[in-house]
Amino acid sequence: DGGITQSPKYLFRKEGQNVTLSCEQNLNHDAMYWYRQDPGQGLRLIYYSQIVNDFQKGDIAEGYSVSREKKESFPLTVTSAQKNPTAFYLCASSNLGNGEQFFGPGTRLTVL
Amino acid sequence: AQRVTQPEKLLSVFKGAPVELKCNYSYSGSPELFWYVQYSRQRLQLLLRHISRESIKGFTADLNKGETSFHLKKPFAQEEDSAMYYCALSGRSGFQKLVFGTGTRLLVSP
Repeated sequence: DGGITQSPKYLFRKEGQNVTLSCEQNLNHDAMYWYRQDPGQGLRLIYYSQIVNDFQKGDIAEGYSVSREKKESFPLTVTSAQKNPTAFYLCASSNLGNGEQFFGPGTRLTVL
Repeated sequence: AQRVTQPEKLLSVFKGAPVELKCNYSYSGSPELFWYVQYSRQRLQLLLRHISRESIKGFTADLNKGETSFHLKKPFAQEEDSAMYYCALSGRSGFQKLVFGTGTRLLVSP
């Protein structure tokens, strides 16, 4: 199903390498989000963006970076500064002023 | 501070039994509350939100401002209800982020 797509589904990284996770949406949503999902910790917000060329840090932004050059795209880079990057990463989007968020299928990142 | 608490990591019931997944929140203002569900091998999706007052798949949730709770209930659990459930809140005005609880895994056994 369309809406929000994330790629790749699985990603392996060696320590010290940066890696970029893709997130694309065709819902014409203004806002996009990146979450990290760890067992027992729920979803924690990494970064979010309300409009193109603007984004804000979430609760756990250290070691991550994002860009929002297009409305449809919100890639997340996991840098070597992230101490514990192995996790399941979820991207979401929403209309501004509407709390309902639509989620992608996720990317599972494993650091070897 | 905004916070959502789901005290149970795992809730195990038998098919046909009533289910209540607990959610408590703290928020200085009038929040909007949501329940999201993640079935096995499916993406996270909205189950219901308190402002719509809908019953989805037999689930209901009532916002209790006095107890700051938004518990999810279903009178008769089905096996297909087995999933991970997350309670979340946001503010009502302007752009508001969602704050999620840690989730409760519901396991419905035959």
